[in-house]
Amino acid sequence: EPEVTQTPSHQVTQMGQEVILRCVPISNHLYFYWYRQILGQKVEFLVSFYNNEISEKSEIFDDQFSVERPDGSNFTLKIRSTKLEDSAMYFCASSERWASGEGEQFFGPGTRLTVL
Amino acid sequence: ILNVEQSPQSLHVQEGDSTNFTCSFPSSNFYALHWYRWETAKSPEALFVMTLNGDEKKKGRISATLNTKEGYSYLYIKGSQPEDSATYLCALGGATNKLIFGTGTLLAVQP
Repeated sequence: EPEVTQTPSHQVTQMGQEVILRCVPISNHLYFYWYRQILGQKVEFLVSFYNNEISEKSEIFDDQFSVERPDGSNFTLKIRSTKLEDSAMYFCASSERWASGEGEQFFGPGTRLTVL
Repeated sequence: ILNVEQSPQSLHVQEGDSTNFTCSFPSSNFYALHWYRWETAKSPEALFVMTLNGDEKKKGRISATLNTKEGYSYLYIKGSQPEDSATYLCALGGATNKLIFGTGTLLAVQP
């Protein structure tokens, strides 16, 4: 069964360093998302992406964050200068259709980012 | 700001018990309600996407109901098994397709 994959599973970095989290969405999906969950808090939306453009971003997704689909398979989240409060589990998701909230989103297993 | 709440926060049941938990959401401007099952170190797995008031969906021993007028959904597990132990997340799907998640209910099933 097709699945969303994410690498690495765990990333440890120093405050101020740049990190790139990688995702391979399901191959025929067109819509891509990043979410994160800070320990003990809700899973929260960061950004959605379609046709090589950001469709929507949350207020969390400031200038330190960027997303890219550098080739036909990968979808990346870059954090330019990490802060302690960026420590979280980051989930990538993809969906086949838009469907105004109905479209099923398939999630990867997450990357746990720890900023020291 | 849309707020999705789940209760209880955690639940411990014995194998064979049936259980249920609740997801509450604002009833205005409803599009869709998603249920996910999330085991530690695995991907959250989609269980149901529900859109219509009164909808009831079933997958094996797990079922869910939806009341969009009063803004809640129930998830039921019949005859809980240890492998049902997981966090169950509900999420509101909106016009822009982002999902707004609840806090989750952590279910532990004791053999």
